[in-house]
Amino acid sequence: GQNIDQPTEMTATEGAIVQINCTYQTSGFNGLFWYQQHAGEAPTFLSYNVLDGLEEKGRFSSFLSRSKGYSYLLLKELQMKDSASYLCAVRDRNNDMRFGAGTRLTVKP
Amino acid sequence: DVKVTQSSRYLVKRTGEKVFLECVQDMDHENMFWYRQDPGLGLRLIYFSYDVKMKEKGDIPEGYSVSREKKERFSLILESASTNQTSMYLCASRKPGTGVSHQPQHFGDGTRLSIL
Repeated sequence: GQNIDQPTEMTATEGAIVQINCTYQTSGFNGLFWYQQHAGEAPTFLSYNVLDGLEEKGRFSSFLSRSKGYSYLLLKELQMKDSASYLCAVRDRNNDMRFGAGTRLTVKP
Repeated sequence: DVKVTQSSRYLVKRTGEKVFLECVQDMDHENMFWYRQDPGLGLRLIYFSYDVKMKEKGDIPEGYSVSREKKERFSLILESASTNQTSMYLCASRKPGTGVSHQPQHFGDGTRLSIL
């Protein structure tokens, strides 16, 4: 079967760094995406990895290891507005997107 | 910016009703998708379409159908609504890529559907 696993909930403090992990087992691999979803809103695209390594985009970075079936999203200098759900998604060999259940991040003052 | 618009944010219907959820995108995207999002289960693909008049079943098509008569519009139909179809429904569109595609999906704000 296909699995995308990520922690259900995480809590962190404003100004800190948090790492959200994602492991996957899919039928082939054509890229991994991270989305942010605030409560009651649409998921919005954050980052994309298809090759191993780190992709940095401002306060957000995403890492991929294809051999381990593993990715993480790193959020630095956390702000209250970063409280949201973070969705990990993998595009499989058919270019179908497989989503994890999401990690709900709460940032506390 | 891509705009994906879903016709209703909240909808309440009764068991057995035929329900239509509408989705329109304004970026001339070929690919469109319907998902449902439930706590602990993430987004699950119901149906998708790669072009006008074309439709493909996703992972959970039972109890649903779709219509793609125009490129910009993708409709989800609940033939006879049941209480287990109470959920958040998300529409998405995407510009098709080539090879190892990095085109992200763009989502609408969702329709929270309650079936009583």
